[in-house]
Amino acid sequence: EVQLLESGGGLVQPGGSLRLSCAASGFTFSTYAMSWVRQTPGKGLEWVSTISEGADRTYYGDSAKGRFTISRDNSKRTLYLQMNRLRAEDTAVYFCAKDLAPAAIGDAFDNWGQGTMVTVSS
Amino acid sequence: DIVLTQSPATLSLSPGDRATLSCRASQSISNYLAWYQQKPGQAPRLLIYDASNRATGVPARFSGSGSGADFTLTISSLEPEDFAVYSCQQRFNWPITFGQGTRLEIK
Repeated sequence: EVQLLESGGGLVQPGGSLRLSCAASGFTFSTYAMSWVRQTPGKGLEWVSTISEGADRTYYGDSAKGRFTISRDNSKRTLYLQMNRLRAEDTAVYFCAKDLAPAAIGDAFDNWGQGTMVTVSS
Repeated sequence: DIVLTQSPATLSLSPGDRATLSCRASQSISNYLAWYQQKPGQAPRLLIYDASNRATGVPARFSGSGSGADFTLTISSLEPEDFAVYSCQQRFNWPITFGQGTRLEIK
């Protein structure tokens, strides 16, 4: 069974930093691209970033460019999102998500974690 | 960026009814569209990928159709557990974008 478990969320002041982690199990992590998607309370889903299975390609949404960095450690089966210069509008639930097909990128997301809440407030 | 517009925003139906949800893209996206179901406090669940392919474990009452810029998710006969928010997502090009969602509520 595929499991994705996010951690690292919490309350941070504007301008601060936070690193999210997503521990994966139940599939061959190193063969799938992985993504972060966020959801503002009561609002829709917003794609944040995607990293290829080998970490050689990364993609970012406009809201994340220049402030967030996606990375992965295939030996630890873990996905990361380093978030710097956080703003109030970054407040959201952050989900990690797995691509549907192996060795693809920019795919549908067939498995999601339960999400971790990030609150940016003074 | 490709904008996905879902309609209606809210759909009020009864169990046993047929539900038809729409997702329109701001440009052609071929068949690179997925549909997700989300219940309160839960993560999204993939229902349909590449416009018409049901994901693993998704009941046959869910079907997707369309290509180009107009897509439809149909639920043939609503079960009580189907009342949720449904979102579409395009993967035709970067950035990946989602629609704003359709809330399917019990009438």
